[in-house]
Amino acid sequence: NAGVMQNPRHLVRRRGQEARLRCSPMKGHSHVYWYRQLPEEGLKFMVYLQKENIIDESGMPKERFSAEFPKEGPSILRIQQVVRGDSAAYFCASSPIRLAENEQFFGPGTRLTVL
Amino acid sequence: ILNVEQSPQSLHVQEGDSTNFTCSFPSSNFYALHWYRWETAKSPEALFVMTLNGDEKKKGRISATLNTKEGYSYLYIKGSQPEDSATYLCAFPSGGGADGLTFGKGTHLIIQP
Repeated sequence: NAGVMQNPRHLVRRRGQEARLRCSPMKGHSHVYWYRQLPEEGLKFMVYLQKENIIDESGMPKERFSAEFPKEGPSILRIQQVVRGDSAAYFCASSPIRLAENEQFFGPGTRLTVL
Repeated sequence: ILNVEQSPQSLHVQEGDSTNFTCSFPSSNFYALHWYRWETAKSPEALFVMTLNGDEKKKGRISATLNTKEGYSYLYIKGSQPEDSATYLCAFPSGGGADGLTFGKGTHLIIQP
């Protein structure tokens, strides 16, 4: 019973390149949440997705960031034209149902470094 | 904008001692309060999800209480062990009770042998 999987675990990009971060939720979970942890800061919510739908993207930067969760395959967080300020740890979490009182299961994170 | 505050920021406790720390959150439109434990180099792991005023939950030596009217929760660790060293996060649903979580910055707990 695999947990939430994220890959890659570490990603290095040069300024201006694209970063693609993948998240496979736990089996049976159709709700995915992405969080970002900037250096010296706490976890910040970015986006919440269900299969094929973005439900809440209130925490996503307005430009260069996008997320998807297709019918088949993992959820992908895409960052275009990365800048140094995008260097952070990106975590995804999944849950089986959409309820505030349901715990979220976290993946190991992807650590993005922008040179 | 929701604000979740945790105190203290860090805590050094002698092995065997008991300890507690606080999470405060907006008391209006309450849905749930989550506690997570985050060990270095691992993923955050859920400890408790609390929903009812006056609720108390327990898992081994760790317990938590909830006061939704005044907007705070306490996490207690009895007889601290080195393996309890971690960052303890509390979190609050961001909006509508069903979306992403707003996290506090955590209490970084170090148990000294």
